[in-house]
Amino acid sequence: IAGITQAPTSQILAAGRRMTLRCTQDMRHNAMYWYRQDLGLGLRLIHYSNTAGTTGKGEVPDGYSVSRANTDDFPLTLASAVPSQTSVYFCASASGGVSGANVLTFGAGSRLTVL
Amino acid sequence: GQNIDQPTEMTATEGAIVQINCTYQTSGFNGLFWYQQHAGEAPTFLSYNVLDGLEEKGRFSSFLSRSKGYSYLLLKELQMKDSASYLCAVRDSNYQLIWGAGTKLIIKP
Repeated sequence: IAGITQAPTSQILAAGRRMTLRCTQDMRHNAMYWYRQDLGLGLRLIHYSNTAGTTGKGEVPDGYSVSRANTDDFPLTLASAVPSQTSVYFCASASGGVSGANVLTFGAGSRLTVL
Repeated sequence: GQNIDQPTEMTATEGAIVQINCTYQTSGFNGLFWYQQHAGEAPTFLSYNVLDGLEEKGRFSSFLSRSKGYSYLLLKELQMKDSASYLCAVRDSNYQLIWGAGTKLIIKP
């Protein structure tokens, strides 16, 4: 089934630990995104990648890093987790480009709790 | 600053019609999106408007007025499965999406 796979589904980790959230898509989409979703707030963009080999900072990039070694994978790393990073994280992809709708397809989300 | 406003929560009755409004102030405009998100699930695409007017897709319609910075999502013949959050998002001049906080729609029998 084509789509986006995120792992883990949920995780509890101690503050200060390093954590990588995995994201893989099989739709050959050029653009990929990481969002966090917190109660009462809209989705906030953390990092994005318009194509393999390139990444960019979104609205809330501090404390997070990403890489895009190939088209399919876009992992998000928290180098040293802090409680304010407790959130639901969504990976998304789109075919890319600036014309047309360029609709996002989202993964199922990763619920992260930092204690 | 950039801002998307939507009501936090709305309640409607099964079989009825409900209109969810979205107003926006953004740096430029390159399209407005509506997504549906059931509790604990990922957002899924509903509609896209880039020109003024009404886009109809089955029971769902979306309207846009660029001059007023306004959109609405109209849901007809409400079903219990329509209970979800509805997210409004605007693509700005940099082609980045700005998201509203979402409207939680509660459907009562």
